[in-house]
Amino acid sequence: AQSVTQLGSHVSVSEGALVLLRCNYSSSVPPYLFWYVQYPNQGLQLLLKYTTGATLVKGINGFEAEFKKSETSFHLTKPSAHMSDAAEYFCAVSERSNFNKFYFGSGTKLNVKP
Amino acid sequence: GAGVSQSPSNKVTEKGKDVELRCDPISGHTALYWYRQRLGQGLEFLIYFQGNSAPDKSGLPSDRFSAERTGESVSTLTIQRTQQEDSAVYLCASGAGAGETQYFGPGTRLLVL
Repeated sequence: AQSVTQLGSHVSVSEGALVLLRCNYSSSVPPYLFWYVQYPNQGLQLLLKYTTGATLVKGINGFEAEFKKSETSFHLTKPSAHMSDAAEYFCAVSERSNFNKFYFGSGTKLNVKP
Repeated sequence: GAGVSQSPSNKVTEKGKDVELRCDPISGHTALYWYRQRLGQGLEFLIYFQGNSAPDKSGLPSDRFSAERTGESVSTLTIQRTQQEDSAVYLCASGAGAGETQYFGPGTRLLVL
């Protein structure tokens, strides 16, 4: 079974600083890759996804993620953090051979300091 | 149309009682997922429905858990003889098809006393 590792359950950055949230997966076959965000008291919503093609994927709110096969990673970045980015971020994968199932990481809570 | 809705939003029950959680997916979405999110943990896949195919039940943690879906509409997740470790947020998501983007409901927060 797949496993998804998000390094750092809590990340704190200053407003305007770079945001880097890490995600690594375990599969030897590149899966489909997703980042979801959960704002306080709201449901999860999709930020971006990678299925095929260009490995640098741009999402909503200025976020982007790069699929690196050699590192089995799909880290999420944003050049300049905004207070409204404070939320919990989940990385998820689904296997190309069985995309019935999605495997989620344990989440990273992002705190943005003024 | 409207997004995914779930009811109830909160449920408190006593150990040993049965509970039923409901999910109304986005109209036209053939894929429907149930997840469990325990406090401080990630989402744990429970079950997946796709159209009229047999559901993927491989994530259900025990035979106390079951789920049904009526056609391509509402789904109910039933937990029998609830235990304290069942306390969690139960999330439902729907999608246009297998592997497609999932749209999540707000969840049902279950507390078993």
